[in-house]
This record gives sequence, C-alpha cells and structure tokens, in this order.
Amino acid sequence: DIQMTQSPSSLSASVGDRVTITCRASQSISSYLNWYQQKPGKAPKLLIYAASSLQSGVPSRFSGSESGTAFTLTISSLQPEDYATYYCQQSYSTPWTFGQGTKVEIK
Amino acid sequence: EVQLVESGGGLAQPGRSLRLSCAASGFTFDDYAMHWVRQGPGKGLEWVSGISWNSGSIDYADSVKGRFTISRDNAKKSLDLQMSSLRPEDTALYYCVKDAGGVGITPIFDYWGQGTLVTVSS
Repeated sequence: DIQMTQSPSSLSASVGDRVTITCRASQSISSYLNWYQQKPGKAPKLLIYAASSLQSGVPSRFSGSESGTAFTLTISSLQPEDYATYYCQQSYSTPWTFGQGTKVEIK
Repeated sequence: EVQLVESGGGLAQPGRSLRLSCAASGFTFDDYAMHWVRQGPGKGLEWVSGISWNSGSIDYADSVKGRFTISRDNAKKSLDLQMSSLRPEDTALYYCVKDAGGVGITPIFDYWGQGTLVTVSS
C-alpha cells in the first residue's frame, strides 16, 4: 500500500497568514493527489484534484503543487472559514489511501 | 444539486451484520463510480470499497475484504454496503461518496454524504 504522510499534524495560524501543508507519498504517484477539507461535524469537501487543479467553487486562495513525491497545499491568506482539518489522498493505486490529516487552528 | 443520503447505521454486536444504503440524486447516477469511505471516532479517513458505473469493477480495502459487499442499483439510484462478521474496529461514520469518473481507477471523491454511524459493541 502507498503510505501518505502529512506534515505538520497541526498548526496554529492567524487570519491573513500564508499556510503550507505538505503531503509525502511513499512511492511515485505521478500527479494523482487530491486534497480535502473537513470542518468539525461535516463531511469532507474536495478542494484540489490532480495535484494542482482547483475544484469548481473553491476560492482561489487555495492552491496545490508538487515536487517529486512531495505535494503541497497552500492557503495564500487564511480566512476564518478555513479553520479545519485537511487531508491528502492518492488516487494512483488501490487501496486509495489518505494522509493522517493536518488540523489548522486559530492562533 | 448532488445529494447523497446514507441510512442503515446503528448498533450491532460483534459478528453480526448490517446493511447500509445510500440514495443518490441530482446527477446521472449510472455515469459514475461510487465508494464508501469511513472515519473512526476522532480518526482519519479510510477508503472501504468502490464500484464502477456498471458494477463491472469492484474493489475493497484488505480490512473488509471477504466481510463486506458493495452493490448498486442504477434504476433505483442507490448504493449499498452489506457488512457481515462485524468487528469493534468497524465502528465508524460511513460516508457514501461519488467519484468524479465512471470507472473508479483513479478516483477523485467529489461529493460526500453526511454519513451514517455504525457502532459495533457487545
């Protein structure tokens, strides 16, 4: 199975901050990497697919990039509604695996 | 508007069975693969099973293989998950999830239901 490792596991940031979350795959997954946002008590929501494509309706302050087996989710200017847990997921080979999550908290 | 509504969760004893259902609306159901993803209490996300648009391709996580069976009825726009030989570690919120594609070989989980809670305990 492909292991997905996110860092950090949690972070504290202020409104307006630039936030970066990293996800590393245990092997090459090409660009088959998706990002989800989950708010407490809610279902996950797709943010980014294929490493860098923004899902329809998602604000442009969210972006994704890749470098080898490392993938990055960036929030350019953190907004109050962005406080949530973020998960990466590989869609390269089954079983489809998720990172352990990164919780973004208010500083 | 895409809607996915799960039902069938509840309390089950270890070793017993439970059947989850998902009613889909707002999209052409038989064009897309569908999946079940679960989340244990306070834990992360775990993909459980997926089925292609025509049921021709079905896959399971090793943790449920041989115990869970996924199926779909395109005429009824419904997705099911038959769970048997339940274990305490199956306790989780089970989400019905739509795939952005039809085959399910490089899944993008673009819409999620609100989940149905399964608790396995004696």
